[in-house]
Amino acid sequence: LAKTTQPISMDSYEGQEVNITCSHNNIATNDYITWYQQFPSQGPRFIIQGYKTKVTNEVASLFIPADRKSSTLSLPRVSLSDTAVYYCLVGDGPGANNLFFGTGTRLTVIP
Amino acid sequence: DTEVTQTPKHLVMGMTNKKSLKCEQHMGHRAMYWYKQKAKKPPELMFVYSYEKLSINESVPSRFSPECPNSSLLNLHLHALQPEDSALYLCASSQDGPRYRGEQFFGPGTRLTVL
Repeated sequence: LAKTTQPISMDSYEGQEVNITCSHNNIATNDYITWYQQFPSQGPRFIIQGYKTKVTNEVASLFIPADRKSSTLSLPRVSLSDTAVYYCLVGDGPGANNLFFGTGTRLTVIP
Repeated sequence: DTEVTQTPKHLVMGMTNKKSLKCEQHMGHRAMYWYKQKAKKPPELMFVYSYEKLSINESVPSRFSPECPNSSLLNLHLHALQPEDSALYLCASSQDGPRYRGEQFFGPGTRLTVL
C-alpha cells in the first residue's frame, strides 16, 4: 500500500504564493482529491476538491495532472493566519475504509 | 447549521474504565466517520458509517466499538484501552458516502488520555 506523501514543511514570506504538492500514486480511478487545513487542537477544515485539471475557489487553486498521480495546492498571497498543517486526502483502492490523509505539510508564514 | 459537535472535549480514563465519545451533526449528512490522530501525524480513519451501515476496519482493535443510533448521532465506545490509545479523536460527516464528491466536516475532537 503506497503512502500518500507530502513535503514535511515549508516556509514562506507573507504575500508570496505557496505551492504544496501531494504524491498519490495509487489513487483510485473514481476518487476525488481533497485538501484540508488544520490548526493545532482543531479538526481539519476543507479547502478545495478536484478530480482532474484545475479547480479554483475563493481561497486556493488545485492543479491535477492527467495521470492524477499527484496534485498541487496553490495558496495565493499567504498571510500569517495561513500558518497551519495542510493535508491531501485521497482514496486508495476499493472499499469505504481505503481513504488516507497524506503525511501533511507544515506551512510557516514569516512576516 | 454546518457544525459537527463532539463531547467531551477532554477525557482522562484508566485502562479498566468504560467510556463513550459522542458526535452529532444536523446537516442531514448520510456518512459519519471516526478518526484517530496522534501528535504531529495525519488523522487515521477508524470507522465509517454510510447510510447507517458500518464499514468494518479490521485494523482497529476491538476495544473500540462504534455505534450509530441514527443518521445524526455517532458514538465511540471505549473499553480496556491502552496508554498508546491516547490521541485526539475526530468525528466527521459528509453529505454522501466516503468515496463520493463532497467535503467532510470535522468536529473539534476529543482529547483522550489513557493512564
